[in-house]
Amino acid sequence: AQSVTQLGSHVSVSEGALVLLRCNYSSSVPPYLFWYVQYPNQGLQLLLKYTSAATLVKGINGFEAEFKKSETSFHLTKPSAHMSDAAEYFCAVSDAGVNSDKLIFGPGTRLQVFP
Amino acid sequence: DAGVTQSPTHLIKTRGQQVTLRCSPKSGHDTVSWYQQALGQGPQFIFQYYEEEERQRGNFPDRFSGHQFPNYSSELNVNALLLGDSALYLCASSFNLLNTEAFFGQGTRLTVV
Repeated sequence: AQSVTQLGSHVSVSEGALVLLRCNYSSSVPPYLFWYVQYPNQGLQLLLKYTSAATLVKGINGFEAEFKKSETSFHLTKPSAHMSDAAEYFCAVSDAGVNSDKLIFGPGTRLQVFP
Repeated sequence: DAGVTQSPTHLIKTRGQQVTLRCSPKSGHDTVSWYQQALGQGPQFIFQYYEEEERQRGNFPDRFSGHQFPNYSSELNVNALLLGDSALYLCASSFNLLNTEAFFGQGTRLTVV
């Protein structure tokens, strides 16, 4: 069965500092991997996705993530945090062999950005 | 383009009651999936509708049911509400079952008292 773990339920950084949010997945088949952001009282917005093309994926708002098969990881990074990045971030996995497969989400990481 | 729209935005129900939540997919999308997000947790897949049929179902009891209409909009029904059903219910739409292109709505916050 597929699963996602996100190390660190809360991450705090200073404005301008590097953002690193960790995601590890478990999947018996090649995965599709996603990062979503959720602002308070809102739905989910797709930041970026890996669908078996380039392993380094660039997304919106300056975020990027690298797929590392050997480490079963898909960590999300941003070189310089902005106050507006404060939100909940979710990593998700689905079965690459089935385009219609459901998304399996991790528990989320709340990012706080201090001035 | 209005994107994915859900109604109502908030709802309060009493234990044992029934509730219906509604979702209109993004223009051009024909597939609707529903997720439950309990407070402080990640979303969990409930079920997916395509061509007016339930195509996949997550680990939810039969109290959770759904429907998709010819215009691709969808309803989520929950019977015999429990306190544990309190959550944010998210609708996601995509085209032709492709979840790699899913767009999420703002969600409906259901509180069961």
